[in-house]
Amino acid sequence: AQSVSQHNHHVILSEAASLELGCNYSYGGTVNLFWYVQYPGQHLQLLLKYFSGDPLVKGIKGFEAEFIKSKFSFNLRKPSVQWSDTAEYFCAVSKSGSARQLTFGSGTQLTVLP
Amino acid sequence: SQTIHQWPATLVQPVGSPLSLECTVEGTSNPNLYWYRQAAGRGLQLLFYSVGIGQISSEVPQNLSASRPQDRQFILSSKKLLLSDSGFYLCAWDREGNQPQHFGDGTRLSIL
Repeated sequence: AQSVSQHNHHVILSEAASLELGCNYSYGGTVNLFWYVQYPGQHLQLLLKYFSGDPLVKGIKGFEAEFIKSKFSFNLRKPSVQWSDTAEYFCAVSKSGSARQLTFGSGTQLTVLP
Repeated sequence: SQTIHQWPATLVQPVGSPLSLECTVEGTSNPNLYWYRQAAGRGLQLLFYSVGIGQISSEVPQNLSASRPQDRQFILSSKKLLLSDSGFYLCAWDREGNQPQHFGDGTRLSIL
């Protein structure tokens, strides 16, 4: 079975700092990779996704993630965070297939100080 | 555009009582449907998924069951709730092909 590890449970940054959230997965087959974000009081929404092609994926709000297959990693990055990026971030992986059951990491709470 | 609705938003139930959470999707047909649970301090765990009416796959053994009586309706049920059933329940949908899952607003279930 696949699993996802997010090593940072809570990250606190000042505005304009750079962000990198780690995500590692374990699964030997072809995978789809996702980052979801949940802003306070809102529903879970997609930040970016990787299915195939260019391993550097750009998402909404200036976020990007790089799929490094040899390291089983899909780290999320943003060069300069804003106070509005305060949220919980979830990495998820699914096996390629007809019904894509997502396996989520435990999440990283990001707090950006103004 | 497609929308997903879950209700109720919050629910407080005594131990041993039954449960029914409903999820409906609008604006699409033949979606894949999913139920997840997020326990306090943990990530989301897939409970059930369905690729069509009457087709339910369970990912983890538990006190819960799911049903899909209509194409865009997915119901999570229990005959007798346990304390350990407390958590945040999310419904999601997607379509075949390279499409991400879209989530509802969730139901926060507290068992007393």
